Amino acid sequence: QSVLTQPPSVSGAPGQRVTISCTGSSSNLGAGFDVHWYQQLPGAAPKLLIHTNKNRPSGVPDRFSGSKSGTSAYLAITGLQAADEADYYCQSFDSSPNAYVFGTGTKVTVL
Amino acid sequence: EVELVESGGGLVQPGGSLRLSCAASAFSFDNSWMTWVRLAPGKGLEWVANIKKDGSEENYVDSVRGRFTISRDNAKNSLYLQMNSLRAEDTAVYYCAKERVYRDSSGYFKSYFDYWGQGTLVTVSS
Repeated sequence: QSVLTQPPSVSGAPGQRVTISCTGSSSNLGAGFDVHWYQQLPGAAPKLLIHTNKNRPSGVPDRFSGSKSGTSAYLAITGLQAADEADYYCQSFDSSPNAYVFGTGTKVTVL
Repeated sequence: EVELVESGGGLVQPGGSLRLSCAASAFSFDNSWMTWVRLAPGKGLEWVANIKKDGSEENYVDSVRGRFTISRDNAKNSLYLQMNSLRAEDTAVYYCAKERVYRDSSGYFKSYFDYWGQGTLVTVSS
């Protein structure tokens, strides 16, 4: 049972902006632990998209951005493209149960 | 280019055992924490276990502690997951991932997962 809650799905038309939320608690995001985001394309392995709240690894387009405030974090995708259709997961650390944790996952659909 | 290749998955009966392997290349394996993450059908990602670069520290999610053992052989650039007393709920694709360790704003050392393998499917069923 995940301790980080994400909306099951979000959708948008090509070119639009969508935002995915990741809601935690005082033992993870609220405790100051960073959030990281992963993209999992259909049939592929997860790929690091954003690390330490807002930083993009080399090669990730600047259409993807992250932010964190209190017990919530957000991933924004601007200029939505068909290639962005994937599952997206947030990840952090939780002091109870003292383990790395993932969000419930969000499926992004491009209309 | 960093490469992680998992193997060893398959069909096993409840209560059985399986050993997964992950072959690593193109990075300093003996200087990297390593992790196993799984994705069960219809569910989200779940962190399973990790191991320190020299093998001296292991951590597990509560649901597998006492049944799974993570290990590594730095001479062979390989990571392993020994899974015993398998249950139906262990059915999943298992990914190995390289950890990128950093110091967060509170001074704690934490990780994110910067490279992933393609995964190996474990099915527990009679």
